[in-house]
Amino acid sequence: QSALTQPASVSGSPGQSITISCTGTSSDVGGYNYVSWYQHHPGKAPQLMIYDVSNRPSGVSNRFSGSKSGNTASLTVSGLQAEDEADYYCSSYTGSSTLVFGGGTKLTVL
Amino acid sequence: EVQLVESGGGLIQPGGSLRLSCEGSGFAVSTSYMSWVRQAPGKGLEWVSVIYSGATTHYADSVKGRFTISRDSSKNTLYLQMNSLRAEDTAVYYCARGLWDSVWGNYRWYYLHYWGQGTLVTVSS
Repeated sequence: QSALTQPASVSGSPGQSITISCTGTSSDVGGYNYVSWYQHHPGKAPQLMIYDVSNRPSGVSNRFSGSKSGNTASLTVSGLQAEDEADYYCSSYTGSSTLVFGGGTKLTVL
Repeated sequence: EVQLVESGGGLIQPGGSLRLSCEGSGFAVSTSYMSWVRQAPGKGLEWVSVIYSGATTHYADSVKGRFTISRDSSKNTLYLQMNSLRAEDTAVYYCARGLWDSVWGNYRWYYLHYWGQGTLVTVSS
């Protein structure tokens, strides 16, 4: 199972919005609405930010939103804040009872 | 409060074996859907394995036949037995619990809601 494709890095200024894409295939992202996004500050435990493409777990800011079109999912972070600077990973369930992650995107808040 | 604490990492020679532990608190490991995820140095996250509440297990192709996931309900602990270790297995290993769906009354194992802090495994001679 190949990793999902994400841009290596994105950046934005405080208050702005950014979008991170996550491209897979019809066997993962395109075939199921079981896409999730994780925020990972190095040295800490990853945090689930989005599940079921666009749902937020309790406690996650509504500045984080998700969507999907075909084989590509997207994470949008609006009203960028300094604490949003982190690595972001998409993930998708696959048809073979496995999970696949994207390669990760480093978000820099300028 | 749900907490997960991994242990057992360290330096091991290629071809060696190591067992990682993940002690849970605030919930029952035995009735949860639990996964292991790893992150090699400078790389992204890689899912490794899952164990369902009914003990069904699944593995990534990269570890199938070499790693075994299991748990001990009396110790509320998840394990990952790693055999025939290779340099490419060097990584921080995280355990994680699936998301509890209160609407459907089941675990969504493919959404990793609670994570431990990780334990480092280094495979090198």
